[in-house]
Amino acid sequence: QVQLVQSGAEVKKPGSSVKVSCKASGGTFSSYAINWVRQAPGQGLEWMGGIIPMFGTAKYAQKFQGGVTITADESTSTAYMEVSSLRSEDTAVYYCARSSGTVRGYYFDYWGQGTLVTVSS
Amino acid sequence: SYEVTQPPSVSVSPGQTASITCSGDKLGDKYAAWYHQKAGQSPVLVIYEDSKRPSGIPERFSGSKSGNTATLTISGTQDMDEADYYCQAWDSSTVLFGGGTKLTVL
Repeated sequence: QVQLVQSGAEVKKPGSSVKVSCKASGGTFSSYAINWVRQAPGQGLEWMGGIIPMFGTAKYAQKFQGGVTITADESTSTAYMEVSSLRSEDTAVYYCARSSGTVRGYYFDYWGQGTLVTVSS
Repeated sequence: SYEVTQPPSVSVSPGQTASITCSGDKLGDKYAAWYHQKAGQSPVLVIYEDSKRPSGIPERFSGSKSGNTATLTISGTQDMDEADYYCQAWDSSTVLFGGGTKLTVL
């Protein structure tokens, strides 16, 4: 059974950065994409980007390009998502999720428990 | 830009059938997936590739698609099905989520 376990809640000041981790167990880490999904308070789900660890190159939603960095460490089966220059609007729960499927339609079959990032002065 | 659209809310009586639609110009060529999310919890996949149900998801959840509209149907809706439901599609290496539908079981 695949499990994704994320790092704990963070409180950050505006202008700083935050790095959230997502450790996978129970599956083949390297060949599946790990994605990051943001959910602002009371809002819907928003895909930020993803990475296939064996290839190492991340893809980002246009909105998050330049402000988010997604990486993966195959040796520890852990993916990371870093947001720089934090603003209050970045206050949200950040989920990692594994994707499966084909080019006709990928879907997220396993999700982490979410990490709350609060940006406040 | 490409979007997928859901109704913001749907209400259903216990035991009745609830239907939630998801529309998008390119959905006819792409698979849709559906998730439910209860307050304070992570989303859970309930339908993938338009109509397939993951193991552990009750049979009362089903999915279908006609043209550019995908539909999630919950037969014999139970109180525990009250949640937010999201459709999701994939296009040009980008993931799209619908805005979410709040299902209320009255």
